[in-house]
Amino acid sequence: AQSVTQPDARVTVSEGASLQLRCKYSYSATPYLFWYVQYPRQGLQLLLKYYSGDPVVQGVNSFEAEFSKSNSSFHLQKASVHWSDSAVYFCALSPNSNNRIFFGDGTQLVVKP
Amino acid sequence: DAGVTQTPRHEVAEKGQTIILKCEPVSGHNDLFWYRQTKIQGLELLSYFRSKSLMEDGGAFKDRFKAEMLNSSFSTLKIQPTEPKDSAVYLCASSWTGGNGQLYFGEGSKLTVL
Repeated sequence: AQSVTQPDARVTVSEGASLQLRCKYSYSATPYLFWYVQYPRQGLQLLLKYYSGDPVVQGVNSFEAEFSKSNSSFHLQKASVHWSDSAVYFCALSPNSNNRIFFGDGTQLVVKP
Repeated sequence: DAGVTQTPRHEVAEKGQTIILKCEPVSGHNDLFWYRQTKIQGLELLSYFRSKSLMEDGGAFKDRFKAEMLNSSFSTLKIQPTEPKDSAVYLCASSWTGGNGQLYFGEGSKLTVL
């Protein structure tokens, strides 16, 4: 079985501050890992993905994530957030290359001006 | 290319009614997913189609929820009869078979059951 845990339901940061959103996964092997973002009244959009290789992956809008096999984690980071980053962020995994994805519960990011 | 199109964007139904939500996937995509999104339960998979064949359906949703792919470019989700607990946002997503998990989502259909 596989699962994704996002321990923080809501994170509040000030504009310009750095950000880390946490994600832990459970799976017997190394899965495909993703971060998706959902802006208000929109569907989800892919932010970045990890399949193999360099554990630090770059995504859109200066987001990056770091895969850690030892910690079973895939945390999302950004050096300086903007108010427009306010959204819900979903960590997700797929056991293989097909499109069946298992999502975490999401973290609501609030960026204060 | 057009993205995933979902209609209607908003639907209000009385308890016991039948509602049909529609989805047009990205042209050329052959994987299609229906999800239900609520604050409490998060994202729940309702159905997964590959090349119009049902690959997986959410066990808890079988009795009143039925998704169909009438052709490769159109899918419907029927809820019959509706109950207030069905109030949620219903998201449709599509991808190509080699998509490696890159799903394209529609903006969703928000259903309110009174």
